[in-house]
Amino acid sequence: DAKTTQPPSMDCAEGRAANLPCNHSTISGNEYVYWYRQIHSQGPQYIIHGLKNNETNEMASLIITEDRKSSTLILPHATLRDTAVYYCIVYTDKLIFGTGTRLQVFP
Amino acid sequence: DTGVSQDPRHKITKRGQNVTFRCDPISEHNRLYWYRQTLGQGPEFLTYFQNEAQLEKSRLLSDRFSAERPKGSFSTLEIQRTEQGDSAMYLCASSQIVTGGSYEQYFGPGTRLTVT
Repeated sequence: DAKTTQPPSMDCAEGRAANLPCNHSTISGNEYVYWYRQIHSQGPQYIIHGLKNNETNEMASLIITEDRKSSTLILPHATLRDTAVYYCIVYTDKLIFGTGTRLQVFP
Repeated sequence: DTGVSQDPRHKITKRGQNVTFRCDPISEHNRLYWYRQTLGQGPEFLTYFQNEAQLEKSRLLSDRFSAERPKGSFSTLEIQRTEQGDSAMYLCASSQIVTGGSYEQYFGPGTRLTVT
């Protein structure tokens, strides 16, 4: 079973920041948090991952709380092409996907 | 680097027939994964290989399913005696496992199976 909890859906205006929360209260000390997204009818796409520290790359930022029980994925300037299902995953040897958050970016 | 490729992209078959899917991972990636995704659900793990060794199989992988990665490069997933419940998107992913490295998996476009 997935070790994460995410809201089923969120809306965001184009150009604004999209903040997607994730709870992973049972995460172990050496387990990473990974984020993927899946645009309709495509394979999942890797976004970012982290262990303890906040991370940033060209796609997004990942903020992990100090107790590591939750995290937030931030898309700083959402575009219509960011409309997708976003999955937060606690990584073991394999990816266990939950149902994710369906992000709808509107004009 | 051409990414993960899967063939065919779409397959329609009649119940009871056998089907085989192929996955070509990113070259040099030593891990290869198979997932299945039904409508409205996230992908479900089926099995994975490290090089040619199959290291784990999900209980979802019934005895009608078999996967191989004979030379540690491409992989095949075969479903025997297909059932309507096998209709799904079958996704393949690959990754490079290195000590102290990260393990992001790169997914192919999937094979959509429809069993009539």
